[in-house]
Amino acid sequence: AQSVTQPDIHITVSEGASLELRCNYSYGATPYLFWYVQSPGQGLQLLLKYFSGDTLVQGIKGFEAEFKRSQSSFNLRKPSVHWSDAAEYFCAVVFPTDSWGKLQFGAGTQVVVTP
Amino acid sequence: NAGVTQTPKFRILKIGQSMTLQCAQDMNHNYMYWYRQDPGMGLKLIYYSVGAGITDKGEVPNGYNVSRSTTEDFPLRLELAAPSQTSVYFCASSRPDGTYEQYFGPGTRLTVT
Repeated sequence: AQSVTQPDIHITVSEGASLELRCNYSYGATPYLFWYVQSPGQGLQLLLKYFSGDTLVQGIKGFEAEFKRSQSSFNLRKPSVHWSDAAEYFCAVVFPTDSWGKLQFGAGTQVVVTP
Repeated sequence: NAGVTQTPKFRILKIGQSMTLQCAQDMNHNYMYWYRQDPGMGLKLIYYSVGAGITDKGEVPNGYNVSRSTTEDFPLRLELAAPSQTSVYFCASSRPDGTYEQYFGPGTRLTVT
């Protein structure tokens, strides 16, 4: 079955430390991959996306993600976390067989930033 | 541009009541979507529309209805509200240009008691 998994429900990180959020998908080919961020009480904002090409993609707010076909993964990273990065992060996919661009979301990872 | 707007921001309903969640976008996007967000579950697609007059069910459509009479508006109707419909509802829109980037509204927090 087609699915997207975020193994970590909750991550706590110190301000200034690095952050990596995991995302895995289950599909016979490479889907279109996205990371969204949801700040408290807000809607979702797109951080970055991957369709094809260079497997390291840069996004907004200093985030980057690396696609690894062999691991069916699309992990999100930030070298140095700021207090404002405390939010919930969602990995999402669009399966290429879907003509209407419907997103399928992972369960989300809540990131807490400590001083 | 206001982007995607949703009203109301918060609502409390009694069991069995009905209501309409409003969604509007001013970006001339053809595609619009309704999601619900429950803790630990991510977002689940309720209904979507690819243009005025064209709608289809998503993953969790039961208990909801939609209509799309204009490009701008995509209201979500709850009939006979149930506690299981307590959730945060997000509307989103996108262009049919192959980028698949969805723009989200701020959400409506609904409680059914």
